Formats: sequence, C-alpha cells, structure tokens
Amino acid sequence: DQQVKQNSPSLSVQEGRISILNCDYTNSMFDYFLWYKKYPAEGPTFLISISSIKDKNEDGRFTVFLNKSAKHLSLHIVPSQPGDSAVYFCAAPLGTGTASKLTFGTGTRLQVTL
Amino acid sequence: DSGVTQTPKHLITATGQRVTLRCSPRSGDLSVYWYQQSLDQGLQFLIQYYNGEERAKGNILERFSAQQFPDLHSELNLSSLELGDSALYFCASSVGQGNYYEQYFGPGTRLTVT
Repeated sequence: DQQVKQNSPSLSVQEGRISILNCDYTNSMFDYFLWYKKYPAEGPTFLISISSIKDKNEDGRFTVFLNKSAKHLSLHIVPSQPGDSAVYFCAAPLGTGTASKLTFGTGTRLQVTL
Repeated sequence: DSGVTQTPKHLITATGQRVTLRCSPRSGDLSVYWYQQSLDQGLQFLIQYYNGEERAKGNILERFSAQQFPDLHSELNLSSLELGDSALYFCASSVGQGNYYEQYFGPGTRLTVT
C-alpha cells in the first residue's frame, strides 16, 4: 500500500521557469514531510521539510506547500536551474516513541532544459 | 557530502553467498537507518538502530540482519543471496530518534548478485 504517492514520474521545465512537483498521501497520521533530491549514483540529499502545523515553508528557491485537507503537498522551485535536474522524492516519517522510518514516494524525475 | 560513509561502493557476488555492508553515521548522530532501492522502485525501509539498539523494523527479510556497534557504525548482513537481492542499499543517520529529525543519506552500496 503506497501511502505516499508521486503520480508524475517525470517533468520537463525550461530554465528560469517554475518547477512544481506534487505529492499526495493517504495516511492522516503523517504530521511531517520531507523532500529529497537524488542525483544518479548518489544518495538522496535532504532538501526541505514542513510540519503539519504550517502550510508553507520556504528556503531560498525552494518552497513547500501543504494542503492537509486535500492530503497534498507540492514543491516549487523558482527559478529552475539546470543543476536542479534530478529525481525528487517526497517522504513522510512514521513512528511511535523512539522508532521512526521514512516512507517514500516513487519519485519524480525533473529535467531542466536550457 | 552528507557526512555518512558507506563501504563498499560496489559489490558483485554469487547467489547463495553472504555479504556485509558497512555504514558510518555523521559525527554525533545516534540513529542509523537502512533502506533498499531496487530497480525502478522507491526506497524501502529495512531497519533502524538507535545508540546500539534496534528501534524499528520494516520489510526486512529473515536472511538479512543488522547491528550497530558501540562506536555507532552499523553493518547490514545479507546471507543466502538471491538474484532479487540485487539493489542499492542506503544507510542514513539522524541526530535523534523521532519523527522530526531529518535523515542524511550515504552514497549507497550497489549490490549485484549473479
């Protein structure tokens, strides 16, 4: 059962434009979300996170929006740069007490073209 | 560079064999997590340790085991290897053990079982 879903396997955006990557989740127990970026042959790199008490978190060119009623979050990259070309995963931690694990979406491959 | 190191980077072995993957967490991080990424699949959580003790278990096969040592490095042992075990194995670490700590990933070990 895929609790975190990224329904767009790929996205192509022109340099300088906005990239919008979407993520849906089904588990209402999730209260924290993270976005990771992954280049080929490297491990995922933490990008930005958001707590469910907020609906927006911004860090430079990256902004994550959370719509709890729709169980939807999105990552906006403005302006997009060629170095942003990578696979982006949204993830949510789930655990009780001292245990914690990340549940990942299947990823969206972003291609930023010149 | 996330500060998480994994060795070896690549491993090729035959079916039925046993291998050990090693992970050193970021300095100061007490939690270590192991994830598996098979071809065209998302990252699947295997197991979490915190300060030497197992804290959470995912879909980890009985043929797989892990431990975290007093110096906080961790090892993932895979035995009776099958072709389907070929995958990327990532280790991640975080400073804490709850849901609100970002996990930082190592570069991964690519395991090929022939």
